[in-house]
Amino acid sequence: EVQLLESGGGLVQPGGSLRLSCAASGFTFSSYALNWVRQAPGKGLEWVSAISGSGGSTYYADSVKGRFTISRDNSKNTLYLQMNSLRAEDTAVYYCARRQTVVVVAATYYYFDYWGQGTLVTVSS
Amino acid sequence: EIVLTQSPGTLSLSPGERATLSCRASQSISSSYLAWYQQKPGQAPRLLIYGASSRATGIPDRFSGSGSGTDFTLTISRLEPEDFAVYYCQQYGSSITFGQGTRLEIK
Repeated sequence: EVQLLESGGGLVQPGGSLRLSCAASGFTFSSYALNWVRQAPGKGLEWVSAISGSGGSTYYADSVKGRFTISRDNSKNTLYLQMNSLRAEDTAVYYCARRQTVVVVAATYYYFDYWGQGTLVTVSS
Repeated sequence: EIVLTQSPGTLSLSPGERATLSCRASQSISSSYLAWYQQKPGQAPRLLIYGASSRATGIPDRFSGSGSGTDFTLTISRLEPEDFAVYYCQQYGSSITFGQGTRLEIK
């Protein structure tokens, strides 16, 4: 059974740092790209960052570029999100999500097939 | 960045009725990059539809997706009590964006 379990959330002051973790099980970890998606209280979903299976390619939303760093340890089956220079607007539940890729004759499909339960990050003084 | 606009913002219907949710993209996207998710309060999103029209594993056949180019639709043919939730569309093009969501509430 595929499982994604986030941890590391909590209360942090503006300008502070936090590192989130996402422990994965039930699949070949290094074969999948992974993502972080956040949801501010009462708001919609916002994609934050993505990393390839090898960790060699990373992508960021403009809202976090230069402040957040995504990484992974394939020997530990764990995804990370290092968050620096945190702002009040970073307050959200942070989800990790696995990207599935399906290649058929005429198309390649991308979607998030498994999600963790989320971890809450609150940025406040 | 491709913006996805979902309508309506809130849809009030009764169990047994048909629900039609819309997702419009600011520019044409490949159907293979369009997905729909369901989210219930306090839960993570759940994949319903990928490739605009393919149901994910375990999703009942009352859920169907359609569309191409800039206009996509999620249809729930006959609402069950457990279907009342928030629904998001997502595109996976040059970047990844979600629509703002449609809340499906019991009338």
